[in-house]
Amino acid sequence: AQSVTQLGSHVSVSEGALVLLRCNYSSSVPPYLFWYVQYPNQGLQLLLKYTTGATLVKGINGFEAEFKKSETSFHLTKPSAHMSDAAEYFCAVFGWQFYFGTGTSLTVIP
Amino acid sequence: EAQVTQNPRYLITVTGKKLTVTCSQNMNHEYMSWYRQDPGLGLRQIYYSMNVEVTDKGDVPEGYKVSRKEKRNFPLILESPSPNQTSLYFCASSLPQRGSNTGELFFGEGSRLTVL
Repeated sequence: AQSVTQLGSHVSVSEGALVLLRCNYSSSVPPYLFWYVQYPNQGLQLLLKYTTGATLVKGINGFEAEFKKSETSFHLTKPSAHMSDAAEYFCAVFGWQFYFGTGTSLTVIP
Repeated sequence: EAQVTQNPRYLITVTGKKLTVTCSQNMNHEYMSWYRQDPGLGLRQIYYSMNVEVTDKGDVPEGYKVSRKEKRNFPLILESPSPNQTSLYFCASSLPQRGSNTGELFFGEGSRLTVL
């Protein structure tokens, strides 16, 4: 079975500060892992994904995530937050089906 | 432009009045699915379809029906809506994971449904 846990339903950072959104997964098969972003009144857009190979993956808008098998984690980071990063972020795991976390709402403080 | 299109985007209805939310994709994707998004619960899968005439229940199928008569369309039907079906609904599609396809989902813009 697969599942995803996102720690922290709300995260606030100052503009220019590091963004760290946490995601832990469980999967009985080698997982494919995804981060999606949802801007207000929009659908979800793919930020980045891990399938196989390099464990540090880079996505759009300066985001990146590192797959750590030993920690069953796939945390999302961005070195410097921008106001436009304010959104809801969802971690997802695909084993046989997609399973989404409950989401983390990111607020960026000017 | 590759996209998943849902209609209507917003709908207010009353208990018991049948409604259909349409979903269409133009990417020739085999896989389509419906999710509902509720505060604090994230996205929960309602139904999914691996291909034409193949559908299966997700985690929260009660009160919903779907059909997949054509590859591009996957309507969500609420035969007798109830207030607990008030939610934000998303349709998504993808290619199956094989070869170079990693199976990421492409989402529609959502349909906000209110049942009074």
